[in-house]
Amino acid sequence: AQSVSQHNHHVILSEAASLELGCNYSYGGTVNLFWYVQYPGQHLQLLLKYFSGDPLVKGIKGFEAEFIKSKFSFNLRKPSVQWSDTAEYFCAVNAKGTYKYIFGTGTRLKVLA
Amino acid sequence: DTAVSQTPKYLVTQMGNDKSIKCEQNLGHDTMYWYKQDSKKFLKIMFSYNNKELIINETVPNRFSPKSPDKAHLNLHINSLELGDSAVYFCASSQEVVGLAGQETQYFGPGTRLLVL
Repeated sequence: AQSVSQHNHHVILSEAASLELGCNYSYGGTVNLFWYVQYPGQHLQLLLKYFSGDPLVKGIKGFEAEFIKSKFSFNLRKPSVQWSDTAEYFCAVNAKGTYKYIFGTGTRLKVLA
Repeated sequence: DTAVSQTPKYLVTQMGNDKSIKCEQNLGHDTMYWYKQDSKKFLKIMFSYNNKELIINETVPNRFSPKSPDKAHLNLHINSLELGDSAVYFCASSQEVVGLAGQETQYFGPGTRLLVL
């Protein structure tokens, strides 16, 4: 069965610190990978996605993620966080050719001004 | 011109009542979903419809019944509400094109906050 693990449940950083959020999945086939963000009181929005090609994917607001197939990982990074990045971040995996998405349990990021 | 809309935004009701949540998407997508987000923010898929046909039905009590009158709408009806049904329910849609990659992004609605007293 597919599963997605986000190891960091709560992360607290100061502004300008660098961010890396872990995401690992278990699935033997080809996958599409996503990071979604949920700002306080808002709905989920897509940050970035990987379908194929360059494993380093750049998204909105300066976020990027790297797909490392051998490690089944898709970690999210940002070199310098801002207070406005305070939100919940969800990794999601979709097995190609299926309609099923599996979400991780989320990482709550708090950035201190 | 909201892409995925849900009504109502908030729903407070008593145990045992029956309620419905509506979802509409104007993106022309073929696939729609219902997710439940519990108090720990865990997001779990409940149902998915493709062109009005049920394609995913996770382990959900049969008190929950989705209905898709057309491919732009996916409503969720809940019978005999229980305390444990309190959560945020998100609708989403995506365009699935067989044989093509890159179309599986989901677009989420704003959520319906259900509180069962």
